[in-house]
Amino acid sequence: LAKTTQPISMDSYEGQEVNITCSHNNIATNDYITWYQQFPSQGPRFIIQGYKTKVTNEVASLFIPADRKSSTLSLPRVSLSDTAVYYCLVGADYSGNTPLVFGKGTRLSVIA
Amino acid sequence: EAGVTQFPSHSVIEKGQTVTLRCDPISGHDNLYWYRRVMGKEIKFLLHFVKESKQDESGMPNNRFLAERTGGTYSTLKVQPAELEDSGVYFCASSQSGLSYEQYFGPGTRLTVT
Repeated sequence: LAKTTQPISMDSYEGQEVNITCSHNNIATNDYITWYQQFPSQGPRFIIQGYKTKVTNEVASLFIPADRKSSTLSLPRVSLSDTAVYYCLVGADYSGNTPLVFGKGTRLSVIA
Repeated sequence: EAGVTQFPSHSVIEKGQTVTLRCDPISGHDNLYWYRRVMGKEIKFLLHFVKESKQDESGMPNNRFLAERTGGTYSTLKVQPAELEDSGVYFCASSQSGLSYEQYFGPGTRLTVT
């Protein structure tokens, strides 16, 4: 499974756009990129998944360059409630029953 | 729709005792997973059920851990006998068939072994 590298922590003011970049230099051809969010005292929550270019949903956008060696999770106009740990996971599309592999994640703190 | 529920939320036991954790997945989800996070470490996969069958138990640390999913509904994870290093947060997750990248996690059970 591809190893991922993310910032340990980030701070942001409310209302700003936050971009969290994840490096995955040895990503395989059939690997997808998935992001999870975890609030304190809760289990992780699926945010978004992508393979290439750009994916957008109601929560976030995921930008993946052509070489796929990195990806960027973009959170528009964050609020205090977006304070959480964000995990970048890289692996097969998981429909083949591949377990999720979590790294240390990025701790995002949103301040007023 | 009810999410994944876990019981208890917190358990404190002495070394050598037995503890059973329970997970109720989202109704209709064939896939059920157990993960755990020990202090200061990443969340680690333990095992995966598809309905009542164990699909992958490669993450189970040793034979003191026994997971069951009778009837393909709820699951239990028993630790017997518990050791100090078993302390941590145990998460259960479930997903629909064919969508195992989108897993729904429960709030976790915090296990403290003293």
